Amino acid sequence: DIVMTQSPDSLAVSLGERATINCKSSQNVLYSSNNKNYLAWYQQRPGQPPKLVISWASTRESGVPDRFSGSGSGTDFTLTISSLQAEDVAVYYCQQYYRSRTFGQGTKVEIK
Amino acid sequence: QVQLQESGPGLVKPSQTLSLTCTVSGGSISSPDDYWSWIRQHAGKGLEWIGYIYYDGSTFYNPFLTSRVTISVDTSKNQFSLKLTSVTAADTAVYYCARGELVWVDWGQGTLVTVSS
Repeated sequence: DIVMTQSPDSLAVSLGERATINCKSSQNVLYSSNNKNYLAWYQQRPGQPPKLVISWASTRESGVPDRFSGSGSGTDFTLTISSLQAEDVAVYYCQQYYRSRTFGQGTKVEIK
Repeated sequence: QVQLQESGPGLVKPSQTLSLTCTVSGGSISSPDDYWSWIRQHAGKGLEWIGYIYYDGSTFYNPFLTSRVTISVDTSKNQFSLKLTSVTAADTAVYYCARGELVWVDWGQGTLVTVSS
């Protein structure tokens, strides 16, 4: 089982400031044959199902604002919100799909 | 856009079988491009993938749940279903159905299932 560990568990950021969430996998999720990282990020607002934000570690989904970006490779990944907006308050999860499917424990993003 | 809706009992007794159905609208469950998944979320905790099914009936389950899980598809009703046997309090969660194999773009709103006597 690939264990996904996110840090921090929560963070408070001022409006317009940068928010950075880290995700570490217990095993490599980079598939060497296609050079793709099997890593996604989701946003979950209260009372809502998760929303896919980024797949393949850095590919933004259609309609997702460009203030969201994903980076990293292998076992270490980052989701960055470049300028936090009020509507970005949510819990963010990373998920690997290299072997089976597992999620991180979530990071709660709040406004400072 | 595909829409999904979960349905089923909100309360299940310990040791019994949890049964849920997901109705798909706005798309065909028989599409060769799509896979249909179940995912659950324990209260205040993270997400756990349960498994998926393809329209031809082939399945792939979470190794930690595979002994208790069955996912089936009914193409005539555009539905797919989840059965989880021998439930305990640890199976209390919000259960989501979703479209996708690797990642999930379209989700149902989720249904809370409580395991309690």
